[in-house]
Amino acid sequence: NAGVTQTPKFQVLKTGQSMTLQCAQDMNHEYMSWYRQDPGMGLRLIHYSVGAGITDQGEVPNGYNVSRSTTEDFPLRLLSAAPSQTSVYFCASSYSPTDTQYFGPGTRLTVL
Amino acid sequence: GESVGLHLPTLSVQEGDNSIINCAYSNSASDYFIWYKQESGKGPQFIIDIRSNMDKRQGQRVTVLLNKTVKHLSLQIAATQPGDSAVYFCAEYSWESSYKLIFGSGTRLLVRP
Repeated sequence: NAGVTQTPKFQVLKTGQSMTLQCAQDMNHEYMSWYRQDPGMGLRLIHYSVGAGITDQGEVPNGYNVSRSTTEDFPLRLLSAAPSQTSVYFCASSYSPTDTQYFGPGTRLTVL
Repeated sequence: GESVGLHLPTLSVQEGDNSIINCAYSNSASDYFIWYKQESGKGPQFIIDIRSNMDKRQGQRVTVLLNKTVKHLSLQIAATQPGDSAVYFCAEYSWESSYKLIFGSGTRLLVRP
């Protein structure tokens, strides 16, 4: 049981590049979500999913896409990276929004 | 690991003292609240939660108090230890927010030996 895993741990992109942040969980959780964390800003919800095939926007969805083709995986795609997207990205999962959320170790993204 | 929350409010306490971390939440309709602990370079870790039909809940060395009248949440840590040094976040949830868990900005707890 690996919990929530995220890859890569670190990434440097140039402005305009695209990439996908991977998130996987092996706890059979229906609810998964992506957050970004900037210094002094706490965690802000980007996108979330209540089950396979169902996604919705959070507080700061612009510039990001998600999909949920399986229960286990919830990738986050940056379409055209911008310096404002430099942040630490966390993926989380739980059985439901009101159950304990388990967070991955994070991906530290720098956009030059 | 990378430092997060460089401009967070900081609470400094002596080892062995009790710590109280406060949080003001924004939505009077919120009905579920959680405290998370985040150590440097790691993801947030669940500490304790409370539902709106309660005003107090206790865990091991931690107590959460909820005052719905003034929309205030607090986390009390008894006999604070060096391992408690971290950033603490409160989070709120309401059915009205369509499954979105909203985090506060956090407080850094420093434990002096």
